[in-house]
Amino acid sequence: GENVEQHPSTLSVQEGDSAVIKCTYSDSASNYFPWYKQELGKGPQLIIDIRSNVGEKKDQRIAVTLNKTAKHFSLHITETQPEDSAVYFCAASRRITFGTGTRLTIIP
Amino acid sequence: EAGVAQSPRYKIIEKRQSVAFWCNPISGHATLYWYQQILGQGPKLLIQFQNNGVVDDSQLPKDRFSAERLKGVDSTLKIQPAKLEDSAVYLCASSLGGGSLDNEQFFGPGTRLTVL
Repeated sequence: GENVEQHPSTLSVQEGDSAVIKCTYSDSASNYFPWYKQELGKGPQLIIDIRSNVGEKKDQRIAVTLNKTAKHFSLHITETQPEDSAVYFCAASRRITFGTGTRLTIIP
Repeated sequence: EAGVAQSPRYKIIEKRQSVAFWCNPISGHATLYWYQQILGQGPKLLIQFQNNGVVDDSQLPKDRFSAERLKGVDSTLKIQPAKLEDSAVYLCASSLGGGSLDNEQFFGPGTRLTVL
């Protein structure tokens, strides 16, 4: 089955700096890669996704890149703000498999 | 638009007891998912329904877990009997599409289960 590895497990950045979270996957047939943000006591919320026919996607301060050859994808958050503090999960289909999460802390 | 509703939000039981969780998906969403999220880990898919049929239950421990979605709307997940390792948050999610995993999933707040 699919195996998704996510790094780092924790990340602290100064407000205004950029944050990068990286994931690798094992199933070359996976073709959909969503990223979720989970705040304390809440369910995960989709923040951006990318499909395998696209190499990069951007939505305001958030971007995701995909390298199908290397089987890795990354989340980039620019100009970080305190409200970006949360746990972030990557995931890969076909049976959607989540990574282990990254706790992002923005330091004011 | 109302989100995915789950109840109860918290449940504490002793091992070998039974417990049931309820989920009401977003109106009109055909697909419903149950996930188990152990502390410090990502959610793990337990079962996926499309309308009232099971699409994938390969990771559901069927000796103790069961789930149903009889009328294709609400769903219940049951554990009988519970073990200590079942302590986790149980998340319900729904999506509009017909079972394809690349439809956006909307998650409920989860039910935190503690087994003593």
